[in-house]
Amino acid sequence: RKEVEQDPGPFNVPEGATVAFNCTYSNSASQSFFWYRQDCRKEPKLLMSVYSSGNEDGRFTAQLNRASQYISLLIRDSKLSDSATYLCVVKPGQNFVFGPGTRLSVLP
Amino acid sequence: DTAVSQTPKYLVTQMGNDKSIKCEQNLGHDTMYWYKQDSKKFLKIMFSYNNKELIINETVPNRFSPKSPDKAHLNLHINSLELGDSAVYFCASSRDRYGAFFGQGTRLTVV
Repeated sequence: RKEVEQDPGPFNVPEGATVAFNCTYSNSASQSFFWYRQDCRKEPKLLMSVYSSGNEDGRFTAQLNRASQYISLLIRDSKLSDSATYLCVVKPGQNFVFGPGTRLSVLP
Repeated sequence: DTAVSQTPKYLVTQMGNDKSIKCEQNLGHDTMYWYKQDSKKFLKIMFSYNNKELIINETVPNRFSPKSPDKAHLNLHINSLELGDSAVYFCASSRDRYGAFFGQGTRLTVV
């Protein structure tokens, strides 16, 4: 079993749609959690950290369920510029462990 | 004013050659990393350094050798390059429990 698993995707959604990404992790010792986005041929960029109480940043909402070892990301009112690969990341120790990513295409 | 910068951006070289990739961060972070992203786009840790000391060394061939002259720099030297080494190599840095910041990547092609 992979350490971090995500929806295989790709997700193709119209502009304005709400889209949810799911992620599970296997290492219960993980202490820090993040969502990154990666555009084609670019580096991964930190989108947001994920806190136990859940957190929101504009149109983006992240949730963490430690008991289920589950992380989610919700994007509301999706824009064309949201098209990218979304990477779920956990940090069990010193290392950032990346999921395989879920590709999102927002269509006009 | 780039936070994490790595050079070169592109590297095309022949099998058997030795090459280096340089990385520098100006964020004052204590920990630096090298990641490899293969053709399937999966990002995998190779090495991690904290304050110039190696803390993670995943199962990477010993042809790959990281060097950290100071905590702002982490270079990657690769000996006897093989076709399978072709990938994008990302340098990153982080502090404490915060997220990591990545360099723009070095696209290595071995021919």
